[in-house]
Amino acid sequence: NAGVTQTPKFRVLKTGQSMTLLCAQDMNHEYMYWYRQDPGMGLRLIHYSVGEGTTAKGEVPDGYNVSRLKKQNFLLGLESAAPSQTSVYFCASRYGVLWTHNSPLHFGNGTRLTVT
Amino acid sequence: KNEVEQSPQNLTAQEGEFITINCSYSVGISALHWLQQHPGGGIVSLFMLSSGKKKHGRLIATINIQEKHSSLHITASHPRDSAVYICAVEINNDMRFGAGTRLTVKP
Repeated sequence: NAGVTQTPKFRVLKTGQSMTLLCAQDMNHEYMYWYRQDPGMGLRLIHYSVGEGTTAKGEVPDGYNVSRLKKQNFLLGLESAAPSQTSVYFCASRYGVLWTHNSPLHFGNGTRLTVT
Repeated sequence: KNEVEQSPQNLTAQEGEFITINCSYSVGISALHWLQQHPGGGIVSLFMLSSGKKKHGRLIATINIQEKHSSLHITASHPRDSAVYICAVEINNDMRFGAGTRLTVKP
């Protein structure tokens, strides 16, 4: 099992360029998440999905779009990159969130994005 | 004010010491998670708690729902325990994270 795979691992963009980050999981998880991690701050939720074909906004969604066309993939897009989007991006997935279900998060290894 | 506060921010210990990391939160939650972020950046889930106490090897996690507080304990700490430990709380479909506690265990 590969678990959660993020591509690419590193990327440098110029302001205004666009890119897509791919997250793929092979655990048949329903829920998938995109987070960003900035120095001195906790992980912050950008967007999430509770199933194929569904997406929802998190805490910091502005400047990002997402799509979940297939259950195993969750894409994060930056249409016009800005220096404020320089960050480390993490994807995570889990089974459904039921009160009695032990459903830990599984994280990808992160994508380090620099916008100049 | 952050909804999830961790203390201390940084912690240095000698090998073999007993470690405690604290997490306080200010909202009603459905579960609390403890995560470990390795120096290389990878994040792994250690515990998911909704009540009581869980133990895995040298790690113990407790939660007091009434006091909105959780602790992560490491017994007989080892240099390989050096990492950032992150507390996260579930609020419906959302998750809010603490800023993390950086633990360094010296041999």
